[in-house]
Amino acid sequence: QVQLVESGGGVVQPGRSLRLSCAASGFTFSSYAMHWVRQAPGKGLEWLAVISYDGSRTHYADSVKGRFTISRDSSKNTLYLQMNSLRPEDTAVYHCARAPRGDSSGYYLGMDLWGQGTTVTVSS
Amino acid sequence: QSALTQPPSASGSPGQSVTISCTGTSSDVGTYNYVSWYQQHPGKAPKYMIYEVSKRPSGVPDRFSGSKSGNTASLTVSGLQAEDEADYYCSSFAGSNNVVFGGGTKLIVL
Repeated sequence: QVQLVESGGGVVQPGRSLRLSCAASGFTFSSYAMHWVRQAPGKGLEWLAVISYDGSRTHYADSVKGRFTISRDSSKNTLYLQMNSLRPEDTAVYHCARAPRGDSSGYYLGMDLWGQGTTVTVSS
Repeated sequence: QSALTQPPSASGSPGQSVTISCTGTSSDVGTYNYVSWYQQHPGKAPKYMIYEVSKRPSGVPDRFSGSKSGNTASLTVSGLQAEDEADYYCSSFAGSNNVVFGGGTKLIVL
């Protein structure tokens, strides 16, 4: 079954760190660029970061640049998001998403497969 | 990286057509034909509906169509059905390796 399953969310205090994981199955993970997208409560989607199919290129939204790091381990078919210096405004559901095959950098063709998301709450 | 502008809501009766707009700038929608649309039902993951302005992924009904004029992209849903009631989001390549989403539109089927 082709799917993405996120994990690692939870309640964390401001200033602390958290690492999210996204387990991919049912497709050749190493052939696809991958994204992280979040959705704050009652709000719209916000793109956060993208990593190329081979992990050689990454790019971030200004809102998380310098605090969040996207990475991947193709031997484990897993995508990661390391989140440091968390703020209350980082509270959201975090989705991983796949770029379609043929979009090796991930920027152009959107996201054709999404996970259900994992919830991160930043609060003291 | 300013968000694309979408109307908060749109509505139509079953069988009618509804169009949702997505307004950007000459730095994103106006320059690149890399606009995508997503459908999201409450509590569910977004679903890929349109890419490259007007192309439909396999399995998406042809009742859903996309277009673009200048800095504004549009999603049209024809022959509205009850199950089309959902939130819809546009996104665009925004140059400099950025992706930007719209704020979302709640489609109400009356």
